[in-house]
Amino acid sequence: DAGVTQSPTHLIKTRGQQVTLRCSPKSGHDTVSWYQQALGQGPQFIFQYYEEEERQRGNFPDRFSGHQFPNYSSELNVNALLLGDSALYLCASSLRSGRYNEQFFGPGTRLTVL
Amino acid sequence: KNEVEQSPQNLTAQEGEFITINCSYSVGISALHWLQQHPGGGIVSLFMLSSGKKKHGRLIATINIQEKHSSLHITASHPRDSAVYICAVSFGNQFYFGTGTSLTVIP
Repeated sequence: DAGVTQSPTHLIKTRGQQVTLRCSPKSGHDTVSWYQQALGQGPQFIFQYYEEEERQRGNFPDRFSGHQFPNYSSELNVNALLLGDSALYLCASSLRSGRYNEQFFGPGTRLTVL
Repeated sequence: KNEVEQSPQNLTAQEGEFITINCSYSVGISALHWLQQHPGGGIVSLFMLSSGKKKHGRLIATINIQEKHSSLHITASHPRDSAVYICAVSFGNQFYFGTGTSLTVIP
């Protein structure tokens, strides 16, 4: 059983560019959450997708958008990249009906904005 | 103010020492999670607690719901335990994370 997978593992972009990160959830999971983790900080919640819709959103600007596909995989898009967007982007999957919403994390995508 | 506070931020221990990492939270929760993050970024879930105590090998996690406090203990620490340990709480479908405790175990 594959766990949560993310691609790419590393990415370098320049300011103003756009980036798309991808996540495949653990088998059987239907909910995908995205987090941004700056160096030395804990993860910050970006948004969560369930049934192909954004269900909850953290304190992130509209430059951050996402999508969930019928197979539950998800994309995170960031437009007009800023230097401050450099971070580790983590995807976590869970089962919506799970009692405690235990989340399983992917290995992350490290984004560097130059 | 962060909903989840961890202490200490950094911890260095000699191999074999008993280690305690503390977590306090200020919101109502459905569960508390202890996570381990190694250099390179991947996060592994160690424990999920809603009450009492759990043990897995040399790791023990406790939670006191009334005091909104949890501890992660590592017995007989080993250099391979070196990692960042993150406390997180879940409420509904929302997760709140602490900033992590960076643990270094010296041989």
